[in-house]
Amino acid sequence: DAGITQSPRHKVTETGTPVTLRCHQTENHRYMYWYRQDPGHGLRLIHYSYGVKDTDKGEVSDGYSVSRSKTEDFLLTLESATSSQTSVYFCAISVGPSGDFKNEQFFGPGTRLTVL
Amino acid sequence: AQTVTQSQPEMSVQEAETVTLSCTYDTSESDYYLFWYKQPPSRQMILVIRQEAYKQQNATENRFSVNFQKAAKSFSLKISDSQLGDAAMYFCAYRSARAGSYQLTFGKGTKLSVIP
Repeated sequence: DAGITQSPRHKVTETGTPVTLRCHQTENHRYMYWYRQDPGHGLRLIHYSYGVKDTDKGEVSDGYSVSRSKTEDFLLTLESATSSQTSVYFCAISVGPSGDFKNEQFFGPGTRLTVL
Repeated sequence: AQTVTQSQPEMSVQEAETVTLSCTYDTSESDYYLFWYKQPPSRQMILVIRQEAYKQQNATENRFSVNFQKAAKSFSLKISDSQLGDAAMYFCAYRSARAGSYQLTFGKGTKLSVIP
């Protein structure tokens, strides 16, 4: 158990409203990730972080922003939610230094977001 | 960019039998890692098995084993003595070994059903 929690676990919102999803970890791991999962697409990387205030874009970053002001929290924000952002969002963390084979990713329980 | 392809959207297996899930990937890199993740109905992503590209020996974890063919860029998962609890979505994933490349690239998944 990598001590990863996500909040909220479920959310329904309306188009055009801002939404923030939170990922919290208890073990001070340096690397954190946000993925989205959609039917027929597997998981796709949105943004990732390699330290406090250090973030970078992933494959599907348009419409999303992230922030990491402390090691344990990684926030994903949809500034103005759209129906195409209806998805299941997973947070993940990496254990170990870059290049270390044991640098596997552990995933949080996911957040189901519905944008009406 | 790397791509991962799982050509079998759905498969089924009789309980206690053996099943093989296919995965191919495309990369120009020589050093990388490959993973199989299991996602049961609970939605939790669970790492099943990992393989280092520089290792010729196929990884095994109890009833799970892989057939890693580097030249063919193939990474199949074999599940022996299938159990009802093996029913899940299975995702193949790729990670570069290059420093600074931390994210996973996933296939679209294979839904495995286990028939009692």
